[in-house]
Amino acid sequence: RKEVEQDPGPFNVPEGATVAFNCTYSNSASQSFFWYRQDCRKEPKLLMSVYSSGNEDGRFTAQLNRASQYISLLIRDSKLSDSATYLCVGRPSGTYKYIFGTGTRLKVLA
Amino acid sequence: TAGITQAPTSQILAAGRSMTLRCTQDMRHNAMYWYRQDLGLGLRLIHYSNTAGTTGKGEVPDGYSVSRANTDDFPLTLASAVPSQTSVYFCASSDSGSQGGDTQYFGPGTRLTVL
Repeated sequence: RKEVEQDPGPFNVPEGATVAFNCTYSNSASQSFFWYRQDCRKEPKLLMSVYSSGNEDGRFTAQLNRASQYISLLIRDSKLSDSATYLCVGRPSGTYKYIFGTGTRLKVLA
Repeated sequence: TAGITQAPTSQILAAGRSMTLRCTQDMRHNAMYWYRQDLGLGLRLIHYSNTAGTTGKGEVPDGYSVSRANTDDFPLTLASAVPSQTSVYFCASSDSGSQGGDTQYFGPGTRLTVL
């Protein structure tokens, strides 16, 4: 089993829709979590860190459920510009390593 | 600030040849990383460095070597390239301690084709 698993998608949604992605992790020692966005043939860029209490940044909301070992990303009022691949990342405590999921592809359709 | 730069942007390399991918950061981050990204496999860690003078092996280190002579530079060397090393290579850095929580910043990538 991969340490960080994501549904590869693609998720095809109309503009204005709400879409949610889940990501599961197997290493219970993972301490820090992040969502990155990657556009085609570009480098990953941080979308948001994920905190235990949940956090929101505009149309984006991230949640962490340690008991069930998953994190989620909710995108409200989807825009065409949200089309990208979203990478889930975990970082076990006591290590400098970051574990990446393979990504979930989102297509927002006009 | 430039952040992280990588060179070259892309390269076609004959099998058996050696090559060094360059990575430089100007953020004074202590940790640096090399990943390769292949379709369907996501980002896989090749080597990393917690601080200048130290390096460590990641998930797929075979065929690659790194050095960290100073804080800013973290070159990745392929001693004798093989076609399976065709990939997109990303360098990253973070200003993190072992307690976690800090963001990784990525360079623009090097697209390498080994023929």
